[in-house]
Amino acid sequence: DAKTTQPNSMESNEEEPVHLPCNHSTISGTDYIHWYRQLPSQGPEYVIHGLTSNVNNRMASLAIAEDRKSSTLILHRATLRDAAVYYCILRGENYGGATNKLIFGTGTLLAVQP
Amino acid sequence: GAVVSQHPSRVICKSGTSVKIECRSLDFQATTMFWYRQFPKQSLMLMATSNEGSKATYEQGVEKDKFLINHASLTLSTLTVTSAHPEDSSFYICSARETGRGDQPQHFGDGTRLSIL
Repeated sequence: DAKTTQPNSMESNEEEPVHLPCNHSTISGTDYIHWYRQLPSQGPEYVIHGLTSNVNNRMASLAIAEDRKSSTLILHRATLRDAAVYYCILRGENYGGATNKLIFGTGTLLAVQP
Repeated sequence: GAVVSQHPSRVICKSGTSVKIECRSLDFQATTMFWYRQFPKQSLMLMATSNEGSKATYEQGVEKDKFLINHASLTLSTLTVTSAHPEDSSFYICSARETGRGDQPQHFGDGTRLSIL
């Protein structure tokens, strides 16, 4: 599985934008970039995913570099409820094969200050 | 949205007991479900891939006789921790993805906190 690299931790202030980086220099052409987050004592929650183009949804935006070797998850206005561990994961879209697995790295622990 | 229900949310039991954890997809069918384990302050570790109607695929280092997985229907997978010991105490999490929707995200349960005394 292609590996991702994220900072161990980041801090943000409430109501300010947050940019969470992820490096994935060994990404293959069929790998999707997925972001999940995990609040304390809960299962992970899907945030967003994309392949090549930037993506937006109600939770966040995903900016993907042109060479796809890095991406950035953007929370437009951080709230205290956004404090969580954010995981950037590559997943191949071989529907029937082993690459459907999500392998979690260490993620980025985001702290949001009031 | 897609919901995965995991039960029970917390289990406390004596050493030597076998514990069964259920994972249900409530509003979609899932041919494949996944089981993870998470120790305190660590990331999720994939234990096994549960396949409806066939044997589970275990990750390297996971004992299949210790962690029994049964995927009896398209909406239910169970993980049984057999003869649990204190070192099996952990947070167990399942996930599922809708059948035929390979481009869609996985949906996770809220986890089961297992404490073996």
